[in-house]
Amino acid sequence: NAGVMQNPRHLVRRRGQEARLRCSPVKGHSHVYWYRQLPEEGLKFMVYLQKENIIDESGMPKERFSAEFPKEGPSILRIQQVVRGDSAAYFCASSPPWTENTGELFFGEGSRLTVL
Amino acid sequence: AQSVTQLGSHVSVSEGALVLLRCNYSSSVPPYLFWYVQYPNQGLQLLLKYTSAATLVKGINGFEAEFKKSETSFHLTKPSAHMSDAAEYFCAVTRTGYNKLIFGAGTRLAVHP
Repeated sequence: NAGVMQNPRHLVRRRGQEARLRCSPVKGHSHVYWYRQLPEEGLKFMVYLQKENIIDESGMPKERFSAEFPKEGPSILRIQQVVRGDSAAYFCASSPPWTENTGELFFGEGSRLTVL
Repeated sequence: AQSVTQLGSHVSVSEGALVLLRCNYSSSVPPYLFWYVQYPNQGLQLLLKYTSAATLVKGINGFEAEFKKSETSFHLTKPSAHMSDAAEYFCAVTRTGYNKLIFGAGTRLAVHP
């Protein structure tokens, strides 16, 4: 089975442009999480989604950032009007439905955003 | 609220020496605890996890960790370091029934010949 797939792996944007990061969870997983890792820092929680629902967005910046996990297709993290401070690695993780839940998250390899 | 503190952002050991990476947690409810490893430019890989069963947990690559409730600790150890262990290690906490992991700041392990 394929693991969590993220694309693009690397993305370069100029200030003011939009960045879209995609995440396909492990097959059968219904929960998706986005984390951000700034250079030389740990992972910071951004948002937790289930299909068509945002469960917890307490880590999302109030402006410019949005996330979705539609009924069909991958989860998308969207950053509008990017600034240099958005340069980071963005990791997606997934987990199975609660009945199979062991607390473990399965991580993708990340999307590395560079804002020029 | 839950939190994790990893003592020492950088640890350096000689090949063959004991590896000890420290993690202390704070949780108002029984926690689930995890150690993940990250190699350069890669994602996170689960090393081991504690989910209220045995307090001594064995993971991959010879690593193990012991849950000590009285000390609120979950330190990661390996008896003999290998060059391939050089990576960044993250301790994380969550609670039963909720998968939002809270990560520590990470410890970068260097292994010298």
